[in-house]
Amino acid sequence: KNEVEQSPQNLTAQEGEFITINCSYSVGISALHWLQQHPGGGIVSLFMLSSGKKKHGRLIATINIQEKHSSLHITASHPRDSAVYICAVKTSYDKVIFGPGTSLSVIP
Amino acid sequence: DAGVTQSPTHLIKTRGQQVTLRCSPKSGHDTVSWYQQALGQGPQFIFQYYEEEERQRGNFPDRFSGHQYPNYSSELNVNALLLGDSALYLCASSFCTQETQYFGPGTRLLVL
Repeated sequence: KNEVEQSPQNLTAQEGEFITINCSYSVGISALHWLQQHPGGGIVSLFMLSSGKKKHGRLIATINIQEKHSSLHITASHPRDSAVYICAVKTSYDKVIFGPGTSLSVIP
Repeated sequence: DAGVTQSPTHLIKTRGQQVTLRCSPKSGHDTVSWYQQALGQGPQFIFQYYEEEERQRGNFPDRFSGHQYPNYSSELNVNALLLGDSALYLCASSFCTQETQYFGPGTRLLVL
């Protein structure tokens, strides 16, 4: 069983839809990151969370430490949101473990 | 202020060859981590360098080695390349080992 899992693996949405990507983990963590990777490979850090909720524009990230679960929400999705979204956790021992990613495609 | 830079952007090698990938961290950062990302998968941690020493290592064979220079730039060396080494190699830098990492654009390696 992978230490960091994401669902769904692939997601296709119509422009304007509300999107949720989930991440669950089985290790003790000090922080959780949501990353965005566009075709070609460049990775952008979206959020770093250790508790609660963060919002940036149309993106919202939440984390429940007790349940070892985090969600990334995209409101009013747009084709430019199409990318792979990766959840990564930093363990209590400073090791970073990445989830497998969720491939999002937003159709006009 | 330049972010994390990596070179080369793309590289093609044949089996058995050796390759060196380079990374310059974001200004002010002293810690460099290397990751391998195979097509369709999440990145896998290779190792982390801090103060010119390898501080942590993932589950990669000794064919994967690295180095950090006094200016904090880093190299990833892979010997005796295998077809399975074809991947995107990502470098990330941070200030000290516990801070947020910033990723470079990656080097795409193809082993034929």
